Amino acid sequence: DQQVKQNSPSLSVQEGRISILNCDYTNSMFDYFLWYKKYPAEGPTFLISISSIKDKNEDGRFTVFLNKSAKHLSLHIVPSQPGDSAVYFCAASGVTQGAQKLVFGQGTRLTINP
Amino acid sequence: GAGVSQSPSNKVTEKGKDVELRCDPISGHTALYWYRQSLGQGLEFLIYFQGNSAPDKSGLPSDRFSAERTGGSVSTLTIQRTQQEDSAVYLCASSLGDRRSPLHFGNGTRLTVT
Repeated sequence: DQQVKQNSPSLSVQEGRISILNCDYTNSMFDYFLWYKKYPAEGPTFLISISSIKDKNEDGRFTVFLNKSAKHLSLHIVPSQPGDSAVYFCAASGVTQGAQKLVFGQGTRLTINP
Repeated sequence: GAGVSQSPSNKVTEKGKDVELRCDPISGHTALYWYRQSLGQGLEFLIYFQGNSAPDKSGLPSDRFSAERTGGSVSTLTIQRTQQEDSAVYLCASSLGDRRSPLHFGNGTRLTVT
């Protein structure tokens, strides 16, 4: 039962262009969403989050969009830089999941090409 | 400041042996989580501690898995009679305890069961 899905295992983008990573969820009780970034041999690091009362949150080059009716969120990175090459995980939480449990997607490997 | 520390970073063990994985959370973080990532998979929730108690251990795959946390700080995850399917990267994370506080992950312990 995959409640959070990232259907693209990998994405390749040219440096300077926009990277768009997508995530779908099935549980309508999720009310808080996060994106994490992971480099090889390191733990994931928090990138950006969004509450379900918003549809957009921006932090520098990173913007997360939430479409609750479609149960879909996306992460936009613009402009993309070589250091953005990593695996990106979306995650979700909701009160019924247990107060603190984050449910993660399978991850999307982003490669930024020079 | 110091991040989440996990040891060992790598562990190779024979099937049937017991292993113990250690996690040192960020000082002052009341919440502690264990996740694991199998090859090509997302992060799978195992157990969550608030202080020394574990309100949610729903992700532990079998009774061979157990975890404890002492002094509201260090946690150990023990896997008894290891099986090859236990091979994965085991990730520990800590947070301030509020549901929306980001998780800070360690670099993980890569467990290989031969």
